Amino acid sequence: DIQMTQSPSSLSASVGDRVTITCRASQGIGNYLAWFQQKPGKAPKSLIYAASNLQTGVPSKFSGSGSGTDFTLTISSLQPEDFATYYCQQHSSYPYTFGQGTKLEIQ
Amino acid sequence: QVQLQESGPGLVKPSETLSLTCTVSGGSISSYYWTWIRQSPGKGLEWIGYISHSGSTKYNPSLKSRVTISLDTSKHQFSLKLTSVTAADTAVYYCVRESYASGFDFWGRGSLVTVSS
Repeated sequence: DIQMTQSPSSLSASVGDRVTITCRASQGIGNYLAWFQQKPGKAPKSLIYAASNLQTGVPSKFSGSGSGTDFTLTISSLQPEDFATYYCQQHSSYPYTFGQGTKLEIQ
Repeated sequence: QVQLQESGPGLVKPSETLSLTCTVSGGSISSYYWTWIRQSPGKGLEWIGYISHSGSTKYNPSLKSRVTISLDTSKHQFSLKLTSVTAADTAVYYCVRESYASGFDFWGRGSLVTVSS
């Protein structure tokens, strides 16, 4: 299985900040990388697919980049509703696997 | 707007079979992969497997011997069966639509299943 490792595991930031979350795959996955946002008690919400493509309705403050083994999710101008847990997921080969999550907290 | 809704027992006894159904509304069953994903505190998010609109399936090897996913296109439903459950199968189970173009784009709200006697 492809292992997905996110860093950091948790992150404190303030409203208005710009933050970057990193995801590393244990082997090359091309651009087959997705990002999700999850709030407590809710299902994950798709933000980005194919490394850099925004899902319909997702604001442009979210951006993704990378290919191969190293990927980033950047969130600009943090708002209170952005504080959540973020997951990466590879859809290059089965079984699909997820990162362990990055909890973004208000500083 | 596409909506998915899980249904099924919230409590299952050890060694028994976990059964969940997902009802899809607001969209077509065709041309997508209908997927189950679970989330537990210990193992995070885990992809269980999918069934395509044509009925082909693929399962996570870690669960393959115990999992069956089926599809009823006439009812716009797909189902999950997981046999011989243990406490390790306690999780929130999500049904999810996977689009070839845009990945896991629609999720159900999730169904908590607890395995306990």
